[in-house]
Amino acid sequence: DAGVTQSPTHLIKTRGQHVTLRCSPISGHKSVSWYQQVLGQGPQFIFQYYEKEERGRGNFPDRFSARQFPNYSSELNVNALLLGDSALYLCASSLTAGQANYGYTFGSGTRLTVV
Amino acid sequence: QKEVEQNSGPLSVPEGAIASLNCTYSDRVSQSFFWYRQYSGKSPELIMSIYSNGDKEDGRFTAQLNKASQYVSLLIRDSQPSDSATYLCAVPSASNTGKLIFGQGTTLQVKP
Repeated sequence: DAGVTQSPTHLIKTRGQHVTLRCSPISGHKSVSWYQQVLGQGPQFIFQYYEKEERGRGNFPDRFSARQFPNYSSELNVNALLLGDSALYLCASSLTAGQANYGYTFGSGTRLTVV
Repeated sequence: QKEVEQNSGPLSVPEGAIASLNCTYSDRVSQSFFWYRQYSGKSPELIMSIYSNGDKEDGRFTAQLNKASQYVSLLIRDSQPSDSATYLCAVPSASNTGKLIFGQGTTLQVKP
């Protein structure tokens, strides 16, 4: 069975541009969570979506947005990119929302570099 | 005080030694604790979970939990160069049941 898949694997963008990152959950999973990991730090929670609705949001500016589609895949959008947005963006899926108590399996991530 | 704290290291141990990685957390009601291993340039991989006080062993890895002291540790026995990675401690948020809170990670270097 395929795990969590993310695309693209690497991305280089210029400051001020917009970026869209994609995530497909494990088959049967209906919830997707997004994390940002800046070099040298642990992952930071950005969003959790379940059944196409936002179920949680971390302390990120409104430039960050996400959505979930009927097939449970998800997109993370970041507008007006800043150099500080350079990070590894991680996606995790779970059967339902609120399952952090079981731990998460992450996808391979998208490495975003803003220049 | 950070919600989950780890010493960033690096922690350097010789091959074959025991590596001890430590993590403290601030929320006394936390019930689940996780250790992730992250190789350079890769995503975190869940290697251990522990839910009750005491020790949990899985191969060369032992997780230890002390809720009274709000302390969780990971012991790696017979350390191998392939264990060289960053180890992240994670705890679910009490206020947001979908959110994992991570420490900044401890870098382990196992020297041949």
